[in-house]
Amino acid sequence: SQQGEEDPQALSIQEGENATMNCSYKTSINNLQWYRQNSGRGLVHLILIRSNEREKHSGRLRVTLDTSKKSSSLLITASRAADTASYFCATDSRGSNYKLTFGKGTLLTVNP
Amino acid sequence: SQTIHQWPATLVQPVGSPLSLECTVEGTSNPNLYWYRQAAGRGLQLLFYSVGIGQISSEVPQNLSASRPQDRQFILSSKKLLLSDSGFYLCAWGTPIRSSYEQYFGPGTRLTVT
Repeated sequence: SQQGEEDPQALSIQEGENATMNCSYKTSINNLQWYRQNSGRGLVHLILIRSNEREKHSGRLRVTLDTSKKSSSLLITASRAADTASYFCATDSRGSNYKLTFGKGTLLTVNP
Repeated sequence: SQTIHQWPATLVQPVGSPLSLECTVEGTSNPNLYWYRQAAGRGLQLLFYSVGIGQISSEVPQNLSASRPQDRQFILSSKKLLLSDSGFYLCAWGTPIRSSYEQYFGPGTRLTVT
């Protein structure tokens, strides 16, 4: 079943703007991860945030986690055309036996 | 460094034909291995995962099967393909040593059943 639900389903912005994508989930989690998928390719791991963390940064990426609202956001600052891709959140929970549950993704288009 | 391979990259098969997709991992030992399917414009559906040789867990009942004959080899099979088996198949690995559950994906196989 799909635990994570990304919002919006599609986002189109201009190069240089910031892009914010959201993810909501239903059950308690241990970790939440964000992945990127370029068209027709495999997924690439971007960043992981643990349930006891509230914010994490990696380069131009900023992830926040609000466990009380069961939601996370991914912010990409100063976007580039190369950031055009689908972005997925994935969660794992206690006893999930190393399985991840992925959302349906947000398709980000960065226009040059 | 670790590398994951999948082949073939694309495949067109008629309904009722058999299927064999292969995934191999290099540079790590005793990885957890996963098969996912992704329908067009959709998220990932976990099909099978394996925590060791010969150990396969099925997540979705269907006409697909998986096998792990070697530590770093994962095979997805079908005896008779259905139209609904079309999709993008992704293999992934993760290490059970780390608690972070990160997974690393192969390039995928695009399967079209005609």
